[in-house]
Amino acid sequence: EMQLVESGGGLVQPGRSLRLSCAVSGFTFDEYAMHWVRQGPGKGLEWVSSVSWNSGRIAYADSVRGRFTVSRDNANNSLHLQMNSLTVDDTALYYCAKDISGLPYYFDLWGQGTLVIVSS
Amino acid sequence: DIVMTQSPLSLPVTPGEPASISCRSSQSLLHSNGYKYMHWYLQKPGQSPQLLIYLGSYRASGVPDRFSGSGSGTDFTLKISRVEAEDVGVYYCMQALQTFTFGQGTRLEIK
Repeated sequence: EMQLVESGGGLVQPGRSLRLSCAVSGFTFDEYAMHWVRQGPGKGLEWVSSVSWNSGRIAYADSVRGRFTVSRDNANNSLHLQMNSLTVDDTALYYCAKDISGLPYYFDLWGQGTLVIVSS
Repeated sequence: DIVMTQSPLSLPVTPGEPASISCRSSQSLLHSNGYKYMHWYLQKPGQSPQLLIYLGSYRASGVPDRFSGSGSGTDFTLKISRVEAEDVGVYYCMQALQTFTFGQGTRLEIK
């Protein structure tokens, strides 16, 4: 069974950093692009970042570019999101999602999410 | 940036009746390869989103055939032929031509 499990969320003060992780199982991780999508409390979905199978293609939403860094460890089947200079607007449930191909195309599987709360 | 606009934002439906959700993009989502880079997701209450329709009109694996997608380059529709109680949730369209953008979501509820 294909599975994505996010971790690393929590309560953090504005201006601080947090690193999210997504552990995957049940499929050959290094064959697929991966994504981060977030959902603010009571809000809709917002794409955050994407990384291709070999990290050769990386993209960010304007709202996080320069503050967030996506990375992947194909040897350990894991995806990461380093979030710096967090603001209250970054408060959200963060999902990792699997792509259907090695390059960003669209998402066919989502994890359950990890909650990030930015508050003083 | 491509903007996705969904309507209606709230959709009360009687079980057994049809339902339709519209999604309009600010730019054509027709790729040069002939495919429409528009997808539909359903987020059931308390769950993560799940893929319903990909590339405009193709049902994802396991999706009942009462769901169908259609549309041109900028105007797309998700139709449910006969709504069931398990269809409750928020439906999102998403464009994937230029990075990714979601519509605001349409909340389907049972009357």
